[in-house]
Amino acid sequence: GAVVSQHPSWVICKSGTSVKIECRSLDFQATTMFWYRQFPKQSLMLMATSNEGSKATYEQGVEKDKFLINHASLTLSTLTVTSAHPEDSSFYICSAPKRRNPNYGYTFGSGTRLTVV
Amino acid sequence: AQKITQTQPGMFVQEKEAVTLDCTYDTSDQSYGLFWYKQPSSGEMIFLIYQGSYDEQNATEGRYSLNFQKARKSANLVISASQLGDSAMYFCAMREGLSGSARQLTFGSGTQLTVLP
Repeated sequence: GAVVSQHPSWVICKSGTSVKIECRSLDFQATTMFWYRQFPKQSLMLMATSNEGSKATYEQGVEKDKFLINHASLTLSTLTVTSAHPEDSSFYICSAPKRRNPNYGYTFGSGTRLTVV
Repeated sequence: AQKITQTQPGMFVQEKEAVTLDCTYDTSDQSYGLFWYKQPSSGEMIFLIYQGSYDEQNATEGRYSLNFQKARKSANLVISASQLGDSAMYFCAMREGLSGSARQLTFGSGTQLTVLP
C-alpha cells in the first residue's frame, strides 16, 4: 500500500520550454508531498513541500516562479519546470509521508530524469 | 552544520561478507527517526530500515541491521552476507520530530557500495 506514481519517468525538452511532472497517490490521500532534486552522484535535496489546498513552501534558493508546484487534490501534486535551461537537468523525485505506518516514513515516486537540451 | 554525515563516498565489499556503512547525525530534537534507503541505478528509493530515537533495541530487517549509538549520534547500517544485487547508493536520512509528523527527510551525501564477486 501507499504507492505514489510519478510521470514521466524521463523527459527531454528544449531550452526555454516548460515541463510538468506529476505525482499521484494511488491508494491513499497525500495531504503533503515533498519534492526533491538530485544531481548525478549527489544527495537528494529538498526543493519544496506542497500541501493540498495551500501554497507550497520552498526551500531557500529555490525559485518559486521557476518551479511551480500545485497540489490541487489529495491525490495529485505537480511540479512544473518553467522556461527550462540545461542547468535544470536533474533527477526529480516526489515523496509523501505514509501515515498508516509512520515508522516506515515515506513512499517515493520512481523519479523523473529531466534533460534540457 | 550538516545534519546527516556519511563519510564514505565509496565502499567495496567481497560477496558474502558483511559491510558497515557509517552515518552520524546532528539534531537538538529529542524525537526523531533515522532511515536508510538504497538507490540502485534506476533511481528508485528503496526503504531498508528505520530506527526511532526512543527505540532501545537496534533495528533489524533481514540482512540489514542498524547499529544505533544515541550518545554518539551514529546510526550505522550493517549489511550481512553481501550479495551482488546490493551494489547501489545508500542514503542515511533523518526526520526530526514525532513519528507520524509530516516533516521532510534530510539526506546524507550517500555511500556508493560495490559488491565484488
